[in-house]
Amino acid sequence: DAGVIQSPRHEVTEMGQEVTLRCKPISGHDYLFWYRQTMMRGLELLIYFNNNVPIDDSGMPEDRFSAKMPNASFSTLKIQPSEPRDSAVYFCASSLPGVRGYTFGSGTRLTVV
Amino acid sequence: AQSVAQPEDQVNVAEGNPLTVKCTYSVSGNPYLFWYVQYPNRGLQFLLKYITGDNLVKGSYGFEAEFNKSQTSFHLKKPSALVSDSALYFCAVRENPGNTPLVFGKGTRLSVIA
Repeated sequence: DAGVIQSPRHEVTEMGQEVTLRCKPISGHDYLFWYRQTMMRGLELLIYFNNNVPIDDSGMPEDRFSAKMPNASFSTLKIQPSEPRDSAVYFCASSLPGVRGYTFGSGTRLTVV
Repeated sequence: AQSVAQPEDQVNVAEGNPLTVKCTYSVSGNPYLFWYVQYPNRGLQFLLKYITGDNLVKGSYGFEAEFNKSQTSFHLKKPSALVSDSALYFCAVRENPGNTPLVFGKGTRLSVIA
């Protein structure tokens, strides 16, 4: 099992550009979570899916952020247009239902200049 | 609403000494509690969890945590710290029962000094 796979590992982009972050969850996990980590705010939940359906996106900071899960093995988080304050590490995690921990990917470090 | 507090941003301990990383929580019902560790440039890794039963939970790498319902705490402990334990530690909670996502604390940076 390769674990949760995120790409790219690092992304540097200019303000105003569109950014797409990708995540492949562990096969068989039917929950998928997107978190953002910053020094100021710690680890924030942005959105989560159950069986490919978005359940709660109340953590998405603005309309500039969107997330999709077209199938059980792939999810994207898109920022359009990007701003310098979006600079952070974005983590994807997946889990089985019930009382289980999450498996996190290695994260995407986004820098918007 | 669920919440977690990690009152210390940084904990320093000498190698070989016991370590404690503090966590308190707030939930409406019964809690499920977790500890995760994050090494530099890596994702979070699961250490241990409390669901029910024995208040002392043992996890990976010699870590353990004690659930204290009256104090709403779930402190992480290790009898003898190693330099390799230096990392960022996160406490997390979710309500029992329920399918709400984990809520994480802001993290505590542990530095073990040789």
